[in-house]
Amino acid sequence: DTGVSQNPRHKITKRGQNVTFRCDPISEHNRLYWYRQTLGQGPEFLTYFQNEAQLEKSRLLSDRFSAERPKGSFSTLEIQRTEQGDSAMYLCASSLDGGTGNTIYFGEGSWLTVV
Amino acid sequence: AQSVTQLDSQVPVFEEAPVELRCNYSSSVSVYLFWYVQYPNQGLQLLLKYLSGSTLVESINGFEAEFNKSQTSFHLRKPSVHISDTAEYFCAVIGDSGGYQKVTFGTGTKLQVIP
Repeated sequence: DTGVSQNPRHKITKRGQNVTFRCDPISEHNRLYWYRQTLGQGPEFLTYFQNEAQLEKSRLLSDRFSAERPKGSFSTLEIQRTEQGDSAMYLCASSLDGGTGNTIYFGEGSWLTVV
Repeated sequence: AQSVTQLDSQVPVFEEAPVELRCNYSSSVSVYLFWYVQYPNQGLQLLLKYLSGSTLVESINGFEAEFNKSQTSFHLRKPSVHISDTAEYFCAVIGDSGGYQKVTFGTGTKLQVIP
């Protein structure tokens, strides 16, 4: 069990550029989540996958954001035409299916700074 | 809908003194409650959780939390803190409404242990 892996850990980009983050969940975890955390706030839910199916998207996820999990393993989160307000830490998490209350394991996060 | 309130954004405490970090929740369904800890520039780590059974749950590093249904609280306590406990602590809730686990986090409490 190597934990949830995210990369890159840090990304600085110019406004208007596209960025992509990758998340490798714990193997055999079929649930995968993306959260966003800004300074002084708790993590906010963005989207959720059950295997390769994206089952829910938060209103926070504007049209510039897209997440995929093509083979039900790793996931990518792409932000197009980045804005300064996108600067945040993007957290990925995974868990096993099997009922409410299963522990959700978080990765180290990917910091995005838009300049 | 569910929500979590952490009333204290920062809690300074002297080393070896006791501490309590407060958490109140609201939910229209049964809940599962969690405390996560976040060290600087790192992701979230599960500290402890309440799913069912005994209302007092403990972590391996001396923290404990008590689920109080009548007061809708899940306060975190430690009888004697160490410098290494300096971190941000997030209370989180999952509502048992079936389906997937959408975790709702509080805004966090920064614990600063003073030597």
